[in-house]
Amino acid sequence: AQTVTQSQPEMSVQEAETVTLSCTYDTSESDYYLFWYKQPPSRQMILVIRQEAYKQQNATENRFSVNFQKAAKSFSLKISDSQLGDAAMYFCAYRSAGDKIIFGKGTRLHILP
Amino acid sequence: DTGVSQDPRHKITKRGQNVTFRCDPISEHNRLYWYRQTLGQGPEFLTYFQNEAQLEKSRLLSDRFSAERPKGSFSTLEIQRTEQGDSAMYLCASRTGATYEQYFGPGTRLTVT
Repeated sequence: AQTVTQSQPEMSVQEAETVTLSCTYDTSESDYYLFWYKQPPSRQMILVIRQEAYKQQNATENRFSVNFQKAAKSFSLKISDSQLGDAAMYFCAYRSAGDKIIFGKGTRLHILP
Repeated sequence: DTGVSQDPRHKITKRGQNVTFRCDPISEHNRLYWYRQTLGQGPEFLTYFQNEAQLEKSRLLSDRFSAERPKGSFSTLEIQRTEQGDSAMYLCASRTGATYEQYFGPGTRLTVT
């Protein structure tokens, strides 16, 4: 069975600084997708960024980028120029060729003004 | 595009009572998902539908839980004989068959007293 592990329950970063959230996963599949979701205090989950496993190039979305290491089964999220609106729970998630998504336990990110 | 909506947003019920939640996906989204999220945890997959067909159910979905999507549009999730352990946020998500992203609703927070 696939698992997703986020080892940092909470992190803090100074506004305008860069922060990296860690995620590791376990799977025997070769074809899958990885996601980072953001859940602000209002609790509506929003997709931040996705990565297809077959792509070697790391995904980037504006200030958000990932470091995808397939052999190490690692998928970290880097947030550059952190903003107050980035404060939220961040969930790393895995989706196989099937349709369900498996989420990690999340990392709560605090932005310090 | 009005987003995924869920009703009610909050539900308080006494142990042993039945509850039903509704999810309205984004129109033309043929896939619909239910997740359960307890405090401090990531969402856990419960079940999903493609059109009106329920294609997968998690082992988390005990016999007291039933989900329907009768006309391939809105979906209902019913919990019979609620238990205190059912207290959680119940999230609904939808997507089209052509995209990877699941769009989440705001959730229904269930409290069983």
